[in-house]
Amino acid sequence: QSALTQPPSASESPGQSVTISCTGTSSDVGGYNSVSWYQHHPGKAPRLMIYEVNKRPSGVPDRFSGSKSGNTASLTVSGLQAEDEADYYCTSYAGSNNFVVFGEGTRLTVL
Amino acid sequence: QVQLQESGPGLVKPSETLSLTCTVSGGSINSNYWSWIRQPPGKGLEWIGYIFYSGSAHYNPSLESRLTISVDTSKKQFSLKLSSVTAADTAVYYCAKKTGTYFDYWGQGTLVIVSS
Repeated sequence: QSALTQPPSASESPGQSVTISCTGTSSDVGGYNSVSWYQHHPGKAPRLMIYEVNKRPSGVPDRFSGSKSGNTASLTVSGLQAEDEADYYCTSYAGSNNFVVFGEGTRLTVL
Repeated sequence: QVQLQESGPGLVKPSETLSLTCTVSGGSINSNYWSWIRQPPGKGLEWIGYIFYSGSAHYNPSLESRLTISVDTSKKQFSLKLSSVTAADTAVYYCAKKTGTYFDYWGQGTLVIVSS
């Protein structure tokens, strides 16, 4: 099972918006509405930001939103803040055998 | 708020067995699924496997032949054993609570180095 494709890096200024893509196949991203996104500050526990494509867990700011079109999912962060600077990983359900596949990760820099 | 804490040796010799434990606090281990995930240095995340509190487990096919995940509900712990390790198993190992197809709580991770 191949990893999902994410850009290695993204950057934008505070207050602006940035979108991170996550590309898979019809066997994972395109086949299920089961994409989730995680924020990871190095040395800390990863944090669930989006699940089932576009749902936000309690406590996650509504500046974070998710979407999907075909085999590509996206995470958009609006009104960027300094604390949003982190690594972001997508995952997708990939069937009962492989369960989930992760993206390679995107390092978001707030300029 | 569920909290998870990984524990175990940080250094394992090649060909030996890597053993880690995850302790659950702030919530019940019962009626939930628990998972292990790892991240080799400089690489992405990899799902290792998950276990239901009843003991039913599901493993990543690429690791299945070397892997055992178990649970001890009385101690609120679940464990990972990976046998015949090589340098490729060097990684930060995370435990997490699985809900459906996502992981809603994670531990901070523990680095395990495979080296003689």
